[in-house]
Amino acid sequence: NAGVMQNPRHLVRRRGQEARLRCSPMKGHSHVYWYRQLPEEGLKFMVYLQKENIIDESGMPKERFSAEFPKEGPSILRIQQVVRGDSAAYFCASSPDRGPEREQYFGPGTRLTVT
Amino acid sequence: DAKTTQPNSMESNEEEPVHLPCNHSTISGTDYIHWYRQLPSQGPEYVIHGLTSNVNNRMASLAIAEDRKSSTLILHRATLRDAAVYYCILRVGLASGAGSYQLTFGKGTKLSVIP
Repeated sequence: NAGVMQNPRHLVRRRGQEARLRCSPMKGHSHVYWYRQLPEEGLKFMVYLQKENIIDESGMPKERFSAEFPKEGPSILRIQQVVRGDSAAYFCASSPDRGPEREQYFGPGTRLTVT
Repeated sequence: DAKTTQPNSMESNEEEPVHLPCNHSTISGTDYIHWYRQLPSQGPEYVIHGLTSNVNNRMASLAIAEDRKSSTLILHRATLRDAAVYYCILRVGLASGAGSYQLTFGKGTKLSVIP
């Protein structure tokens, strides 16, 4: 079984550009989570989505960031007008359901560099 | 999620067992204990989880104290590939069957394996 896939693995954007990060969950998983890891910091939850629905976006910055998980296709994390502080590793995880006993499977991450 | 406390770093010799401790004195009766690890430049990887009883899988063993206020992740024979940051995470389980879905990562324990 293919694991969680993320692309691109590395993304370089200039300040003010848009960044689109894609995540394809494991087969059969309809729950997707995005986490961000700033340099020298721990992983922080950003948003939790089920197919076509945002369940919890309490960890998302209020402006410039949005996420979606359409009925067909990958989940997308979109960052508009990127700034240097957005440089980080963005990880996506998936699970078959949301129970607290369930493990989450992580992708390899997208490393965003804003120049 | 309830707070966990782990040592910042530990060292182990290759091929020897490693015991990684975690304190979670405020754990509730329905909270699950999860362990993840993150190898350098990779996404987090699920290791093991448990509720009350000790657990074994192909990667590790999880020993849970009788009062559940602490747990220990046991790697039976450390290899160089086990050098990573290990995170002990509590996931809130509610009596209703719902619970927390996000993983709250602390600083973890950085494990170094000496050849």
